Amino acid sequence: EDKVVQSPLSLVVHEGDTVTLNCSYEVTNFRSLLWYKQEKKAPTFLFMLTSSGIEKKSGRLSSILDKKELFSILNITATQTGDSAVYLCAVVPSWAGNNRKLIWGLGTSLAVNP
Amino acid sequence: DAGVTQSPTHLIKTRGQQVTLRCSPKSGHDTVSWYQQALGQGPQFIFQYYEEEERQRGNFPDRFSGHQFPNYSSELNVNALLLGDSALYLCASSWDTYSYEQYFGPGTRLTVT
Repeated sequence: EDKVVQSPLSLVVHEGDTVTLNCSYEVTNFRSLLWYKQEKKAPTFLFMLTSSGIEKKSGRLSSILDKKELFSILNITATQTGDSAVYLCAVVPSWAGNNRKLIWGLGTSLAVNP
Repeated sequence: DAGVTQSPTHLIKTRGQQVTLRCSPKSGHDTVSWYQQALGQGPQFIFQYYEEEERQRGNFPDRFSGHQFPNYSSELNVNALLLGDSALYLCASSWDTYSYEQYFGPGTRLTVT
């Protein structure tokens, strides 16, 4: 059965810390991996990763994919209280055709204390 | 440019009732997906609409149905509500059927008592 596992499930850090969130997957015919940030309600798209070893970067956030070891990490440097959210990882299997059946992890709940 | 909008934001229904949730996609998007997210869980795919047709469906019973209108907006209908239907219902849109970058609406919080 296809699955996506995120770790840790929750994390509490202080402002300025650097955090690394993990997403491992076991999915038949992997196509892409997506990261989302969910605050209160709507998940916000962060990154889409398709190729191994190519880092995606947006400000203090960065992410990389390892298709050999079947995982991705999301790094957040110099964390701020506004980074507090649930970070969701989702995998797109190639049989999905498009984004119809993403396989979602449970998320990592990050709390950044001042 | 308006993003994805959903209505209502909150809803309380009793068991056995029926509910309709609404979604307007982001401007320029023609594909709408619906998700159910229980507390502490990742979103669960319900179904997706494109060109006014249901293109694919997740593991949800027939009590869950939907519709897409010519302006690309969409409705999710749930009949014979159960307590277990209480969840956050998210709508996501994308600009074509091959895009994996979805934009989510704020969601509708449904409580079934």
